[in-house]
Amino acid sequence: GAVVSQHPSWVICKSGTSVKIECRSLDFQATTMFWYRQFPKQSLMLMATSNEGSKATYEQGVEKDKFLINHASLTLSTLTVTSAHPEDSSFYICSARDRTSRETQYFGPGTRLLVL
Amino acid sequence: QKEVEQNSGPLSVPEGAIASLNCTYSDRGSQSFFWYRQYSGKSPELIMSIYSNGDKEDGRFTAQLNKASQYVSLLIRDSQPSDSATYLCAVSSSASKIIFGSGTRLSIRP
Repeated sequence: GAVVSQHPSWVICKSGTSVKIECRSLDFQATTMFWYRQFPKQSLMLMATSNEGSKATYEQGVEKDKFLINHASLTLSTLTVTSAHPEDSSFYICSARDRTSRETQYFGPGTRLLVL
Repeated sequence: QKEVEQNSGPLSVPEGAIASLNCTYSDRGSQSFFWYRQYSGKSPELIMSIYSNGDKEDGRFTAQLNKASQYVSLLIRDSQPSDSATYLCAVSSSASKIIFGSGTRLSIRP
């Protein structure tokens, strides 16, 4: 199956700092990538849809100025959590859609963020 | 009504038995259906996809789709303790957006 990588796998930062998470599709081109957040024992929550070369589409309740998304190439999308606060601590997971495979989404391994 | 519904569980099944996971969806225009497995603390992993009515088998897994009833299921034969995880049903809507169910927790007891 297709491979999606995320970096870093975990990060600890101080409150008020910004954190950038990278999501890469390694063996296919992804015009669309998705960013999810998951709190312990809860469901995946879609935050935004990232389209290559255009602005991301954010889900209701997700602050676009706080969660900056850039999808500059067909294999890379980045999520920047700006001015992070302890309540932003969560498991952030990206996925990439493979258009050559009936719109199948493949997930990255996730990034665990802890804000102190 | 949720767009993709699953029983949250936990579903407890003895080792060696068949585990049956069910999912219903609301968008009749849906074309693609997926099952993902998520272990605790890990990201979801695609295990099956199905696009047409009927059964699709892959090893111990069988996906079943009934578009008329808007129902998709996953059967796991000869359940193993390593199958204990949360199983997410996902449906590609007519707008090319994939909607995930909230998942069913499966526990295989030795």
